[in-house]
Parts: sequence; C-alpha cells; structure tokens
Amino acid sequence: EPEVTQTPSHQVTQMGQEVILRCVPISNHLYFYWYRQILGQKVEFLVSFYNNEISEKSEIFDDQFSVERPDGSNFTLKIRSTKLEDSAMYFCASRVGTDGYTFGSGTRLTVV
Amino acid sequence: KQEVTQIPAALSVPEGENLVLNCSFTDSAIYNLQWFRQDPGKGLTSLLLIQSSQREQTSGRLNASLDKSSGRSTLYIAASQPGDSATYLCAVPLRGNTGNQFYFGTGTSLTVIP
Repeated sequence: EPEVTQTPSHQVTQMGQEVILRCVPISNHLYFYWYRQILGQKVEFLVSFYNNEISEKSEIFDDQFSVERPDGSNFTLKIRSTKLEDSAMYFCASRVGTDGYTFGSGTRLTVV
Repeated sequence: KQEVTQIPAALSVPEGENLVLNCSFTDSAIYNLQWFRQDPGKGLTSLLLIQSSQREQTSGRLNASLDKSSGRSTLYIAASQPGDSATYLCAVPLRGNTGNQFYFGTGTSLTVIP
C-alpha cells in the first residue's frame, strides 16, 4: 500500500536554529498537509498546499514557518528560528479528491 | 470552525468485549469523517473513512457509523483484543473549507486487558 514517508523520524535542535522537515507524499495525491501534535494534546492543522501554493493555514503557521514542494516529489516544512514551544510531533499528510488522508509516521522535533 | 468531542476519554475493557467509541462534531457540513488509530509516540493509521453520503463502513472487526444530522459518529470494535490498545481519533473536515483541513478530537485511549 502506498505510504507517506517522513524524514527524519527524530530531530533535536537548539533554540533559534532552522530546521527542515521532509515528506514524500503519495505520488498521485494532489493535496498536501502539515499537522502537529504537542505531547498530550490534540493533533492540530498547520497548513494545506495545493497546486503549488498554500490553500489554507492556521494561526500557528506564522512567519517562522514555510512550506515548499521543490521538485514535484518532496514536500518540506521549514521552521526558521525554532522555539522551545515548537517541540512536537509533526505529521505530513496527503490525499486525492475526497478520499481520506494518508498520514506519515511523523517527525518528533525536540527543541533544546 | 469545527469542534470535535470524543467520549469517553479513556476506556479499559477485558479482552473479548465489544465496545463503542463516540465522536460528536458541531458543524454537519462535512465531506467525510475518518477514524484513526495512534499508538504511543507513533503516527496516525487510518482505520475507516465514511463519505458524507454513507451511513456506515466496515473493516474486519471495526464498524463506523455516521449520522450527519445529529453530528455523531461511532466506532464499534467487536471482540476486542490486547492489540487493539491504542488511542482512537476521529477527524472531520468542513465542506466549505478550501483546504479541507481536518479537525481532530482529543481521542479515546483504549486499554484491552488480557
């Protein structure tokens, strides 16, 4: 069964550093998403991406965040200057049409 | 905005028991509803997807129902097994939402006791 692949599985970074989280969505999917889950809390929407542009973003997705689909296969989330409160599990997801989402296994980001 | 509530927050049952997890949502203008399973520290595994035109979906021992008008969905697990222990999340989009972002419930943490 097709999978959404995320790398790395765990990243530790120092506060103030830039991080890039990587995702390879399912190849025929058209809609791409980033979600995050702070430990013990709900899964929260960050951003959706369609037709090479952001279609929607949440209040969490401020100027410190950006997304890119640089080469038609990868989908990346960049955090420019990480804060302690950015520590969370970050999930990439993709879908096609009104089918359900397929989520990746997540990247655990720890900011120290 | 969509508010999604899941009851109970935690559930502990002996192996073999049938059980029902509940999900309610405030805005019924949805494309579909999806149930996920999350093991501790892991990703989200899709269990069942119900389109807005459907009333239920079945996969093995799992059956999910959807009542859009009342804003409710249930996940029925038959003959529970210890391997079913996990957190179960329901997620609901909004029809009018261009990105079709999902709103997640807080989940039901299920423990099946051998």
